[in-house]
Amino acid sequence: EAGVTQSPTHLIKTRGQQATLRCSPISGHTSVYWYQQALGLGLQFLLWYDEGEERNRGNFPPRFSGRQFPNYSSELNVNALELEDSALYLCASSLRDRGPSDTQYFGPGTRLTVL
Amino acid sequence: RKEVEQDPGPFNVPEGATVAFNCTYSNSASQSFFWYRQDCRKEPKLLMSVYSSGNEDGRFTAQLNRASQYISLLIRDSKLSDSATYLCVVNDMRFGAGTRLTVKP
Repeated sequence: EAGVTQSPTHLIKTRGQQATLRCSPISGHTSVYWYQQALGLGLQFLLWYDEGEERNRGNFPPRFSGRQFPNYSSELNVNALELEDSALYLCASSLRDRGPSDTQYFGPGTRLTVL
Repeated sequence: RKEVEQDPGPFNVPEGATVAFNCTYSNSASQSFFWYRQDCRKEPKLLMSVYSSGNEDGRFTAQLNRASQYISLLIRDSKLSDSATYLCVVNDMRFGAGTRLTVKP
């Protein structure tokens, strides 16, 4: 069974540009989570999508946005990039058929570098 | 106060040692707890869930203390391959900053 996939693997942008990151969940998983992991830091929760709807949002500015498509894949958009947005962006998926305690499976991440 | 806080580490232990990490959480209504492992430059992977009664998986034991609002992870007979960063997770999306473990020969 294919795991969570993310694209691109690496992304280099300049300050002020926009970045789009993509995630395909494990087949059958309906929930997608996005996290930011800055170098040497823990995972900071960004967004949670389930069944096409945004269910929860972390403490990030509105220029971080996303969506979930009917096939449950997801996109994270970061507008007006700032230098401190440079980080590894991880996507995870889960089944969410047992309530709030479902295992998350992570993709390999997209490393975003803002110059 | 952060929602989830972990021992900062790093923990440097010899092979065969027993090591324990703690993770405190601020939301007393928290329902789900996990430990993940993250190897250098890799994605996190689930190590084990943490159940109210405590649970064990081989050399790993996880415990939950609701009264004091913390979870713990105990690793017995440490192996070189246990070297990684251990992340606690509360309520699905609240990750601790991680505790780095290095097991030395």
